Amino acid sequence: KAGVTQTPRYLIKTRGQQVTLSCSPISGHRSVSWYQQTPGQGLQFLFEYFSETQRNKGNFPGRFSGRQFSNSRSEMNVSTLELGDSALYLCASSGYNTDTQYFGPGTRLTVL
Amino acid sequence: AQKITQTQPGMFVQEKEAVTLDCTYDTSDPSYGLFWYKQPSSGEMIFLIYQGSYDQQNATEGRYSLNFQKARKSANLVISASQLGDSAMYFCAMRSLNYGGATNKLIFGTGTLLAVQP
Repeated sequence: KAGVTQTPRYLIKTRGQQVTLSCSPISGHRSVSWYQQTPGQGLQFLFEYFSETQRNKGNFPGRFSGRQFSNSRSEMNVSTLELGDSALYLCASSGYNTDTQYFGPGTRLTVL
Repeated sequence: AQKITQTQPGMFVQEKEAVTLDCTYDTSDPSYGLFWYKQPSSGEMIFLIYQGSYDQQNATEGRYSLNFQKARKSANLVISASQLGDSAMYFCAMRSLNYGGATNKLIFGTGTLLAVQP
């Protein structure tokens, strides 16, 4: 079974631009969560989607948004990029009522 | 509020020796799950082991075992027979199992960087 895939793997943007990151979960998994990892703040939860509905959200500004499609693929969008948005963005998927989340390889975003 | 504490920023271990990575947690939830993930320099988070708060026995997965002491709120990871490929960042994480499983949100610790020396 294929693992979690994330595209693109690397991205360079400039301040003020917007960016969309994509995540395809493991086949059959309906829950997708997003995390931001920075050297200063560590790993922080962004949001979680289950069956196309956001069911949990972390403490991030409204510039960070996401959605999930009927095939469980998820996208997250960051508008009006700031230098501090430079980070590794990790996506994780899990099955219905299973305890383990499996992570993708991440998208490394650099904002110049 | 939930919190994970990893007090060892970095550790060295000789190849083939065992090593224990510390993790303590704080939560008011009666039901929760504890995880360990490995993050190599490539960035991907690799699931290692899981322990539920109501599990009577400590979890084991190959060379990984979780020393779960509920009263002390600790969930230490033990790696036996360390290998050079074990060099990586290790994260302890927790998830609440309340709310009928209605959230998969993980709270992570700050991680421990393990270096295995030949």
